[in-house]
Amino acid sequence: SQTIHQWPATLVQPVGSPLSLECTVEGTSNPNLYWYRQAAGRGLQLLFYSVGIGQISSEVPQNLSASRPQDRQFILSSKKLLLSDSGFYLCAWSPREYSYEQYFGPGTRLTVT
Amino acid sequence: AQSVTQLGSHVSVSEGALVLLRCNYSSSVPPYLFWYVQYPNQGLQLLLKYTSAATLVKGINGFEAEFKKSETSFHLTKPSAHMSDAAEYFCAVSYPNTGNQFYFGTGTSLTVIP
Repeated sequence: SQTIHQWPATLVQPVGSPLSLECTVEGTSNPNLYWYRQAAGRGLQLLFYSVGIGQISSEVPQNLSASRPQDRQFILSSKKLLLSDSGFYLCAWSPREYSYEQYFGPGTRLTVT
Repeated sequence: AQSVTQLGSHVSVSEGALVLLRCNYSSSVPPYLFWYVQYPNQGLQLLLKYTSAATLVKGINGFEAEFKKSETSFHLTKPSAHMSDAAEYFCAVSYPNTGNQFYFGTGTSLTVIP
């Protein structure tokens, strides 16, 4: 069966510091991968998605970036965090064959101080 | 433009009462529809999905939803609420042959009163 991992589970970082969140998927190959952000009390905002290694699409302009160095690894990064980057970050994957379904990881709680 | 509307950001029900969470979509193309549940500080768990088969869909934890094309709705129901149902619920839609577009509602927080 497929599983999706995210780490770290929680993170507290000062403003201006760099960020790296990692997401990996097991038990499947060639998945579509997604990064979402969920601000407190709000819905989900799609940040990035990827259909393959090195292929990243950005949905919103911001100081975040994403990379996909391996088929089942998706990384969310920032060079300098802002207070507004605080939130709950969720990684998701969908099967390539039927990409209309998405399955979510456990999330990373990021607090920027 | 495609979108999803969840009526009621907060819903409270008594334990044992009917749960009804509303979801409406707007598009001219028949969508795929999903309900997800999120417990505090956790990811989203798929409750059920409609992908153009039976219009009444049964999911986990006793939940079900009915796709009504005429009403463009996909409301989530459960006959008898349990304390463990307290969570955030998200409705989502996607469309065949549109790549990676997946639209979420803003969520409904369900409180179960003992």
